[in-house]
Amino acid sequence: KQEVTQIPAALSVPEGENLVLNCSFTDSAIYNLQWFRQDPGKGLTSLLLIQSSQREQTSGRLNASLDKSSGRSTLYIAASQPGDSATYLCAVKAAGNKLTFGGGTRVLVKP
Amino acid sequence: DGGITQSPKYLFRKEGQNVTLSCEQNLNHDAMYWYRQDPGQGLRLIYYSQIVNDFQKGDIAEGYSVSREKKESFPLTVTSAQKNPTAFYLCATGADANTGELFFGEGSRLTVL
Repeated sequence: KQEVTQIPAALSVPEGENLVLNCSFTDSAIYNLQWFRQDPGKGLTSLLLIQSSQREQTSGRLNASLDKSSGRSTLYIAASQPGDSATYLCAVKAAGNKLTFGGGTRVLVKP
Repeated sequence: DGGITQSPKYLFRKEGQNVTLSCEQNLNHDAMYWYRQDPGQGLRLIYYSQIVNDFQKGDIAEGYSVSREKKESFPLTVTSAQKNPTAFYLCATGADANTGELFFGEGSRLTVL
């Protein structure tokens, strides 16, 4: 059974610092990995999608890497801003069309 | 306006009542999903549908039912058999069942009184 873990569960950084968020998964037979952002009481916003054949994806200040063999993905957010404060979730899609989510990392960027 | 619409946003229910949460999409996506989110826990899959008139149970389907009569709609009924129905419910859609990106609605918060 696929298990997805995100450590740490919470993170606080001063504005301007780079954020590094980790996601690990136990079964490397995945179709893709997706990073989401969730604001309190809201739905999930897709940030980046990495297909299993890709090593990384970039969008603006966001960069996500994928190492299938080690079962890891890292989301980098450059030059963090208070508006980046949110919960970040990763999810992997595997056979059976199921998306398995990590527990999320709650990020606070202090001005 | 394109996207995924969930309604109602907030819903209160007495114990023993069934309630139906609506999820409508105009993205022309084949796949639709229902997830449940509890405080401090990750999202858990309730049901999913890859095509009209077909759906499969997820990891926590007990006490829930769905239908997929139209491509645009995937309503979720929370029945009285669901032991702990108070939660945040999220609907998602995807264009490609295997490799595609998932998009989420704004969620419905159900509280059982």
